[in-house]
Amino acid sequence: NAGVTQTPKFRVLKTGQSMTLLCAQDMNHEYMYWYRQDPGMGLRLIHYSVGEGTTAKGEVPDGYNVSRLKKQNFLLGLESAAPSQTSVYFCASSRGQTLAKNIQYFGAGTRLSVL
Amino acid sequence: KQEVTQIPAALSVPEGENLVLNCSFTDSAIYNLQWFRQDPGKGLTSLLLIQSSQREQTSGRLNASLDKSSGRSTLYIAASQPGDSATYLCAVTGGGSNYKLTFGKGTLLTVNP
Repeated sequence: NAGVTQTPKFRVLKTGQSMTLLCAQDMNHEYMYWYRQDPGMGLRLIHYSVGEGTTAKGEVPDGYNVSRLKKQNFLLGLESAAPSQTSVYFCASSRGQTLAKNIQYFGAGTRLSVL
Repeated sequence: KQEVTQIPAALSVPEGENLVLNCSFTDSAIYNLQWFRQDPGKGLTSLLLIQSSQREQTSGRLNASLDKSSGRSTLYIAASQPGDSATYLCAVTGGGSNYKLTFGKGTLLTVNP
């Protein structure tokens, strides 16, 4: 059981380039999330999805877009990368049952550097 | 806005010692609190989830407590081992934003052989 898989694991971009980060989960989870982790800032929610075809903004959504065309996949796009987007990106998923029992399962992360 | 604070930021202990990690949150209207472990260069692994109606949860040598009214949680690790060395993160769900986890900045634990 793979759980949550993120692709790619590492990437270096030049300012202004675009890219898409892919997150796939095989647990049939309804909810999926994208976080970024920065030194001294902790993890912050970028966007999330509560089901196929839905997306919503999190705490730091500017400069990112997302899509959830299939239940198992959640894509994070950077249309014009900026150095401020250098970070480690984590995807997570959860069953989306009652809030009290909502355990989130995380992928291994994507390390992105924007030069 | 929910804020989560973890103290201490770093902790170094000799193997075999019992230890406590602390977490506090500003908005007590939470649904649950989770403790995660993060190894260097890796993702997060959920250790324990305490629902808002619960006072504690146990898993092996780990015991997490929750005092929702005072906005505090502790993670107790018994008989620490070098393999416990990692960053421990506390996160809460709630405070007005459904399903959003608000994280603390973590406690870096080093267990010395």
